[in-house]
Amino acid sequence: AQSVTQPDIHITVSEGASLELRCNYSYGATPYLFWYVQSPGQGLQLLLKYFSGDTLVQGIKGFEAEFKRSQSSFNLRKPSVHWSDAAEYFCAVGDPLNQAGTALIFGKGTTLSVSS
Amino acid sequence: DAGVTQSPTHLIKTRGQQVTLRCSPKSGHDTVSWYQQALGQGPQFIFQYYEEEERQRGNFPDRFSGHQFPNYSSELNVNALLLGDSALYLCASTSDSLSSYEQYFGPGTRLTVT
Repeated sequence: AQSVTQPDIHITVSEGASLELRCNYSYGATPYLFWYVQSPGQGLQLLLKYFSGDTLVQGIKGFEAEFKRSQSSFNLRKPSVHWSDAAEYFCAVGDPLNQAGTALIFGKGTTLSVSS
Repeated sequence: DAGVTQSPTHLIKTRGQQVTLRCSPKSGHDTVSWYQQALGQGPQFIFQYYEEEERQRGNFPDRFSGHQFPNYSSELNVNALLLGDSALYLCASTSDSLSSYEQYFGPGTRLTVT
């Protein structure tokens, strides 16, 4: 069965510092991979997605993620964090072989706090 | 262009009652998925509707049911509410004709069962 693990429950980063949020997945092949962000009281916003091709994908708000097949990982990065990036971040996978590929499986999330 | 809208925003129900949550997809989208997000957890897939039929279902009991209307809007019904049903219920829409599988999420309905 597919699963997503986000090992870090809570991360605190200084404003201006770099950020890396970890995501590992379990799946027999390469799934569709997503990162979403959720601010308090808000729905989920898609940051970026990976389906195939270039393993380094660029997203919105200056985020990028790298797919590493050998490590079953899809880590999210940002070179310089802004206070407004404080939020909950979710990694998710979708099954490309399933017609309803949008039935996503989410990790438990990582809470990002930004200190001044 | 309105995004995904959900109603109501908040809801308080008593154990054993029934509840209906509503979702209007983003314009041009024909596929609606529902997720349950318990406090401190990631969203869990409940089911997906396409062409007014349930296309896929997650690991949720039959107390959870849904419907999709010809205008693509959708309802989530939960019967015999349990305390454990307290959660944020998220609706997401996409277009089945797109290959991107990019889903747009609504702000959610916060359900509290007492």
